[in-house]
Amino acid sequence: AQSVSQHNHHVILSEAASLELGCNYSYGGTVNLFWYVQYPGQHLQLLLKYFSGDPLVKGIKGFEAEFIKSKFSFNLRKPSVQWSDTAEYFCAVNPSGGYNKLIFGAGTRLAVHP
Amino acid sequence: GAGVSQSPSNKVTEKGKDVELRCDPISGHTALYWYRQSLGQGLEFLIYFQGNSAPDKSGLPSDRFSAERTGGSVSTLTIQRTQQEDSAVYLCASSLDGAGYTFGSGTRLTVV
Repeated sequence: AQSVSQHNHHVILSEAASLELGCNYSYGGTVNLFWYVQYPGQHLQLLLKYFSGDPLVKGIKGFEAEFIKSKFSFNLRKPSVQWSDTAEYFCAVNPSGGYNKLIFGAGTRLAVHP
Repeated sequence: GAGVSQSPSNKVTEKGKDVELRCDPISGHTALYWYRQSLGQGLEFLIYFQGNSAPDKSGLPSDRFSAERTGGSVSTLTIQRTQQEDSAVYLCASSLDGAGYTFGSGTRLTVV
């Protein structure tokens, strides 16, 4: 079945550690890719998105993601996490571009310890 | 408005009752989406509206769930004969062009 997979459900890091959260999707053809973040008690916010062009996408708060078409992956990275990055992170795919619905992964809960 | 507004923010209802959840999208956004977020789960797509096209209802979990969008703006999600498994946060999002989706803060529904 077509899906979006986030491999890590829970990640615990110390401050200043590097972060990489995996995301794989199973849709062929044109896809638009997103990472959203949900801080405790807050609504979903867009971190970054990829539609076309440079496969290395820079987002807010020092996050970046790399689209690797051959691997159907869109992994999220940050070189040095902070305590304030504690949140849940969701990868999402728009399988056909345009207005079609976003399909979300199950999310990765990140806890950063001081 | 400046953002997507959802009401109520919290709703506690008795099993078997009907509930209505409201979403006010960003003005001018033609696409509107409903998602459900259950504890420990990702976001589950429910339904989406795009302009005057027939809505995509493929994610509605049962015929107890329905939604409408009046005048291309406000949307109401209705759950009839609520069950305990309907307890979740119901999220609404809107989009102008499919390039960005803005989410509301959600309605936390608790069925007791």
